Amino acid sequence: DTGVSQDPRHKITKRGQNVTFRCDPISEHNRLYWYRQTLGQGPEFLTYFQNEAQLEKSRLLSNRFSAERPKGSFSTLEIQRTEQGDSAMYLCASSPDRGKGYEQYFGPGTRLTVT
Amino acid sequence: GDSVTQMEGPVTLSEEAFLTINCTYTATGYPSLFWYVQYPGEGLQLLLKATKADDKGSNKGFEATYRKETTSFHLEKGSVQVSDSAVYFCALSGGGSEKLVFGKGTKLTVNP
Repeated sequence: DTGVSQDPRHKITKRGQNVTFRCDPISEHNRLYWYRQTLGQGPEFLTYFQNEAQLEKSRLLSNRFSAERPKGSFSTLEIQRTEQGDSAMYLCASSPDRGKGYEQYFGPGTRLTVT
Repeated sequence: GDSVTQMEGPVTLSEEAFLTINCTYTATGYPSLFWYVQYPGEGLQLLLKATKADDKGSNKGFEATYRKETTSFHLEKGSVQVSDSAVYFCALSGGGSEKLVFGKGTKLTVNP
């Protein structure tokens, strides 16, 4: 069990560019979550997958954001036409589907800086 | 919607002092409650949890009790160590997705 991994760890991009992040969850976990964390704040929920199905999206997830989990394993989060307000740490987490109150395991995050 | 309010930091203590970080929540239904910790340079990791009223979560000397009547889940430790210096997040989960709703975090610094 190698834990949740995210790639890249850091991304610097110019405003208006598109970026894509990848998350590899723990292999037997069928739940996958994306969160966004800005400085001095707790993580905020963005979206949730159960296997390959995207079952919930936050209002924070504008139409510039899209997430996929095509085979129910890894997931990608794409941000189109980045804005300076998109600068944040993007966290991925996974958990098994074993009902209420199960721990989510977090990856190290991808830090995005939009200049 | 669901929300978590936790004590604002930063908190600075001397080694062996008693720690309390307050956390209250607003939620529909019966959420599960968590404390996550982020050590410097590391990712978020679960410290402890409680899934129903009156449950006590405990780990590494830390404890928190799920109090439904006061909608609280305060974190306590009797004697903190320098290695406890970190940011602590209170969180709840519920609903079908079990998504986490976090507080803003409390930064703890323990001095020798």
